[in-house]
Amino acid sequence: DAGVTQSPTHLIKTRGQQVTLRCSPKSGHDTVSWYQQALGQGPQFIFQYYEEEERQRGNFPDRFSGHQFPNYSSELNVNALLLGDSALYLCASSAASRAEKLFFGSGTQLSVL
Amino acid sequence: AQRVTQPEKLLSVFKGAPVELKCNYSYSGSPELFWYVQYSRQRLQLLLRHISRESIKGFTADLNKGETSFHLKKPFAQEEDSAMYYCALSGRNYGQNFVFGPGTRLSVLP
Repeated sequence: DAGVTQSPTHLIKTRGQQVTLRCSPKSGHDTVSWYQQALGQGPQFIFQYYEEEERQRGNFPDRFSGHQFPNYSSELNVNALLLGDSALYLCASSAASRAEKLFFGSGTQLSVL
Repeated sequence: AQRVTQPEKLLSVFKGAPVELKCNYSYSGSPELFWYVQYSRQRLQLLLRHISRESIKGFTADLNKGETSFHLKKPFAQEEDSAMYYCALSGRNYGQNFVFGPGTRLSVLP
């Protein structure tokens, strides 16, 4: 089991562009959460997907959207990129029956120029 | 509002010395508290959670509801404990999101 996999590992975009990040959860997990981690800070919750629906959302604007597919993989989309969106984006998966234990991916480092 | 604070950005101790990583929280209700750890070049991973009342790698953490604290302790630090430590909370309903603190970098010196 490769655990949680994220792609790409690094990405460089310019202001105003759109980006899509991808995540495959750990085998047996059905819940995917996305976090933004700015330099020197802890992860900040963006949203969580379960049964292909957004179940919870953190304090992020509508420019941040997501999707979960029937195989439980997920995408994070960010539109109209701002310089402040530069961060490490982490995906975490969990099993609905054990949602308290998050398994994290290695993250996608997004740089917005 | 839910909030987790970790007052120390960096904590350096010598090998064999006791270590305490501080964590305070604010939450309206009964939260679940966790410690996550990230070793060098590894992923963020769960270290322990208060409800389990377990000791992992010699670390323990006690939830003090009166002081709203969940400090992480180890009596004798080892060099392999050097890592980034994040305190986090979640609501009792595990579907609720996790709130992470800013993290404390622990450096255990030889």
